[in-house]
Amino acid sequence: GAGVSQTPSNKVTEKGKYVELRCDPISGHTALYWYRQSLGQGPEFLIYFQGTGAADDSGLPNDRFFAVRPEGSVSTLKIQRTERGDSAVYLCASSFYGGSTDTQYFGPGTRLTVL
Amino acid sequence: DAKTTQPTSMDCAEGRAANLPCNHSTISGNEYVYWYRQIHSQGPQYIIHGLKNNETNEMASLIITEDRKSSTLILPHATLRDTAVYYCIADSNSGYALNFGKGTSLLVTP
Repeated sequence: GAGVSQTPSNKVTEKGKYVELRCDPISGHTALYWYRQSLGQGPEFLIYFQGTGAADDSGLPNDRFFAVRPEGSVSTLKIQRTERGDSAVYLCASSFYGGSTDTQYFGPGTRLTVL
Repeated sequence: DAKTTQPTSMDCAEGRAANLPCNHSTISGNEYVYWYRQIHSQGPQYIIHGLKNNETNEMASLIITEDRKSSTLILPHATLRDTAVYYCIADSNSGYALNFGKGTSLLVTP
């Protein structure tokens, strides 16, 4: 079956602009996660959705970052007033129910470059 | 989260077993050990997880010491396609916010 997909694969924007990154999880997965990966580092947790609600957004770095999942499937990560330090690969993952032994399946990521 | 320590890099000859160590001396009794890998320009891929017993699946084996302070991921017959960064994760108390660290960069050579 289809895996997690993310669009766009690459996004180049200018400092101060607004961007939206989209994630299509595996069909039927109730849990969805966003991570951010800077060059040479492992992925860092941003936010976790259970259904439509954000169960844990403690990893979002500041209030410029926001994510939604209005119908419990597709999610959008929104970044306002982008800064050069926001440049990274943004990874989305989904899992069946979100429990501690639930395997997370990752998408290929969106590479964001802020000039 | 329990902190994990892994070597920065390792080499392995194609066809040989790759043994990737991980130290997690502060792991708590209910924390699982997970292994994920990330091939260049792809998202992380789940490999295996375990609590205290050794585990095996079609990709790898996981050996956890009796005191649970360390573990070893074994790829029994490494191929060039196994070249990747391998992450050992001691499950966070939240159960979902995976703490990847920097991992081990495994290079499989012909």
